[in-house]
Amino acid sequence: DTGVSQNPRHKITKRGQNVTFRCDPISEHNRLYWYRQTLGQGPEFLTYFQNEAQLEKSRLLSDRFSAERPKGSFSTLEIQRTEQGDSAMYLCASSQGPSSPLHFGNGTRLTVT
Amino acid sequence: GQQVMQIPQYQHVQEGEDFTTYCNSSTTLSNIQWYKQRPGGHPVFLIQLVKSGEVKKQKRLTFQFGEAKKNSSLHITATQTTDVGTYFCAGGDAGGTSYGKLTFGQGTILTVHP
Repeated sequence: DTGVSQNPRHKITKRGQNVTFRCDPISEHNRLYWYRQTLGQGPEFLTYFQNEAQLEKSRLLSDRFSAERPKGSFSTLEIQRTEQGDSAMYLCASSQGPSSPLHFGNGTRLTVT
Repeated sequence: GQQVMQIPQYQHVQEGEDFTTYCNSSTTLSNIQWYKQRPGGHPVFLIQLVKSGEVKKQKRLTFQFGEAKKNSSLHITATQTTDVGTYFCAGGDAGGTSYGKLTFGQGTILTVHP
């Protein structure tokens, strides 16, 4: 069990640029979640997958955000035309099933200048 | 949508004092989970409660799930400096296609003075 892996650890980008993050979950976990966390707040739900199917996307999420999990293994989160308000820690987590505990990765810290 | 509120936002205690954080959901939950996040780290799973009225203990930590499955608490007895961190509750959605989706509270930041 190598845990949940996220890349990159840090990303600094200029406003208007596109960024893509990758998450490799624990291999036998079929659920994969993306959360966003800002300082002093709890993780905010973005989207989640059951295998390759995206089950739900937060209504707070703009169309600039898209996520994929093409083969039911790793996942990518893309943010198009980044804005300063997108600056946050993006956390990926995986679990064995619907009510199973989440295993988080170390996150990708995005800074938009 | 489901909302999970957690209080207090901050708690400062002297080492040896007790600590409690409370969690309330706007809807009935399928389960509640508790996580701890150390400064600079990611949330780490502590425990899961599923049954109405359930109580679980882990050494100095006691977790409760309310009878209506809408609230929960975490109590730490005789805090130690190693307890420092942010404690989050996360409620599992009980219905439909969102079943099992976890919504996190805003967390309680615990500091312990030696």
